[in-house]
Amino acid sequence: DQQVKQNSPSLSVQEGRISILNCDYTNSMFDYFLWYKKYPAEGPTFLISISSIKDKNEDGRFTVFLNKSAKHLSLHIVPSQPGDSAVYFCAARGGGADGLTFGKGTHLIIQP
Amino acid sequence: GAVVSQHPSRVICKSGTSVKIECRSLDFQATTMFWYRQFPKQSLMLMATSNEGSKATYEQGVEKDKFLINHASLTLSTLTVTSAHPEDSSFYICSARRGQAEQYFGPGTRLTVT
Repeated sequence: DQQVKQNSPSLSVQEGRISILNCDYTNSMFDYFLWYKKYPAEGPTFLISISSIKDKNEDGRFTVFLNKSAKHLSLHIVPSQPGDSAVYFCAARGGGADGLTFGKGTHLIIQP
Repeated sequence: GAVVSQHPSRVICKSGTSVKIECRSLDFQATTMFWYRQFPKQSLMLMATSNEGSKATYEQGVEKDKFLINHASLTLSTLTVTSAHPEDSSFYICSARRGQAEQYFGPGTRLTVT
């Protein structure tokens, strides 16, 4: 049973537009959420995180929104740049566990 | 961002042999490190939590006698895959926790067992 779900395996966005990556979770004990960017054969790179006591966190071009009642979070990237093309993983922590539970990732493709 | 290194980046070994992978946090001390595994087209799956000075905590389904973890210092954790088999071939990634929950990942180790 997958506790963190990224239902879009891929997403194509034009350069300069907004990219919105979605993530849903089922475990209500999760209290911290993170987004990572990953290239093939490399480790994930931390992008941005949000605590469950907040509903928004912003860092430069990246903004994460959390809707606890819907158990949904999203990552907004604006404006999208070619270098943003990568696989983005949503991850969550909580429920007594220290490690992260990852979604399957969304492959973001930024088209020029 | 924080820097975590892994060594080796790629290793090929014969079935039945053991392989050791090192994970180091280069610019901060990490009391807790984690080991993940990623199979092709799959997500990262947590294998175990490595705590400095104490025994590792393994996730359900992960054999602790097969995947030996040693967290010898605040900057080094090692994962030894004992008696490796072809089904152990995977991408192994470590991470170190810094701050509340942010984990910084190493570049990963591609293990191929022939």
